[in-house]
Amino acid sequence: QKEVEQNSGPLSVPEGAIASLNCTYSDRGSQSFFWYRQYSGKSPELIMFIYSNGDKEDGRFTAQLNKASQYVSLLIRDSQPSDSATYLCAVNRGGGGNKLTFGTGTQLKVEL
Amino acid sequence: GAVVSQHPSWVICKSGTSVKIECRSLDFQATTMFWYRQFPKQSLMLMATSNEGSKATYEQGVEKDKFLINHASLTLSTLTVTSAHPEDSSFYICSARRQSTEAFFGQGTRLTVV
Repeated sequence: QKEVEQNSGPLSVPEGAIASLNCTYSDRGSQSFFWYRQYSGKSPELIMFIYSNGDKEDGRFTAQLNKASQYVSLLIRDSQPSDSATYLCAVNRGGGGNKLTFGTGTQLKVEL
Repeated sequence: GAVVSQHPSWVICKSGTSVKIECRSLDFQATTMFWYRQFPKQSLMLMATSNEGSKATYEQGVEKDKFLINHASLTLSTLTVTSAHPEDSSFYICSARRQSTEAFFGQGTRLTVV
């Protein structure tokens, strides 16, 4: 079982729709969770992070965390073509070094 | 957000030569920096954790003698790929952390070994 799992996609949504990206993790001791966006050939950029169960909203983005189910998701409202990218879920397992473990990413395509 | 600068953004080198990649945190002090490698259509794989003033901690399977990491100051870490071979061709990315747990990434370095 991979430590952080994501559906590779591609996930296609029409412009203006809500895109829902999902991520599951295996380590129950994981403490913090991050969503990064990566455009082709570029390095990841942080979208948002979440530590506590529930929802966290930032603009068009909402992160949802359910530690009991070991599940974290990212919702993108009013999806735009510029949102087309690969979205990486990352988990901080805690402990020394605060290393992040990344999922393989979900490719999102927002179609006109 | 914080700025992490990585240089060069791309490099082509001959097989057997060494390449140095720099990672700088421009507006904060980073006691810890991380080096990742990403092959096409794959996720980021952590290579090593670089701690200022001490030896880097390498992930399992990463050759410490091949990938030399130096973290000489709170704002600079370097990765040197020694005796590079075509299979080392990849996208190398550094990240740096502030006091919080947020990690910011450099622009990445695309290494091509010919």
